[in-house]
Amino acid sequence: EIVLTQSPGTLSLSPGERATLSCRASESVSSAYLAWYQQKPGQAPRLLIYGGSTRDTGIPDRFSGSGSETDFTLTITGLEPEDFAVYYCQQYGTSPGFGGGTKVEIK
Amino acid sequence: QAQLVQSGAEVQKPGASVKVSCKASGYTFSSYGISWVRQAPGQGLEWMGWISAYNGKTAKYAQKFQGRLTLTTNTSTSTAYMELRSLTSDDTAVYYCARGGNSWYVVWGQGTLVTVSS
Repeated sequence: EIVLTQSPGTLSLSPGERATLSCRASESVSSAYLAWYQQKPGQAPRLLIYGGSTRDTGIPDRFSGSGSETDFTLTITGLEPEDFAVYYCQQYGTSPGFGGGTKVEIK
Repeated sequence: QAQLVQSGAEVQKPGASVKVSCKASGYTFSSYGISWVRQAPGQGLEWMGWISAYNGKTAKYAQKFQGRLTLTTNTSTSTAYMELRSLTSDDTAVYYCARGGNSWYVVWGQGTLVTVSS
């Protein structure tokens, strides 16, 4: 079973700043099988990125995904007020799973 | 547009079972799998398993839930079901269905709160 570890647990930033979120896998994951989600309180997760770097329909280009093998990154360039939320990475290989999440909070 | 609508909140006693439904609309049900993900209060997302809506037989379960979880589908009503048995307080969570099997999830249900309490 592949374990995904996200860091940091919490990121305190101001609007306009750049957020860099990390997702590390316990073994190699094809970038084609890595996704990122945003979740706000009381809501279902929302898909941001799939295939490691492809934005879903309607996702602003300030969100970008990168990485390969065991190290993946979600970058948000220029945080907007609506971006403060919890972010999860997901690998969807043979046995899908999620990372523990990173909370992006207002500093 | 594609939508998944789940059944309402449940309260169950320890040792009981719960069955949550997930009704699909706006797309061809049999073209996608249905996955189930749960989230305990204040915790992260936990993948539980998925089932093919094409044949209703191909399914994969997370090892943690093997023997206690059963996923089924009814193609005539475009509805998927998640049954979890031998409930404990640790199973108190919001349960989500999502469209897709071994894939990313664009479409999610609204979530169903299952509370296990004596």
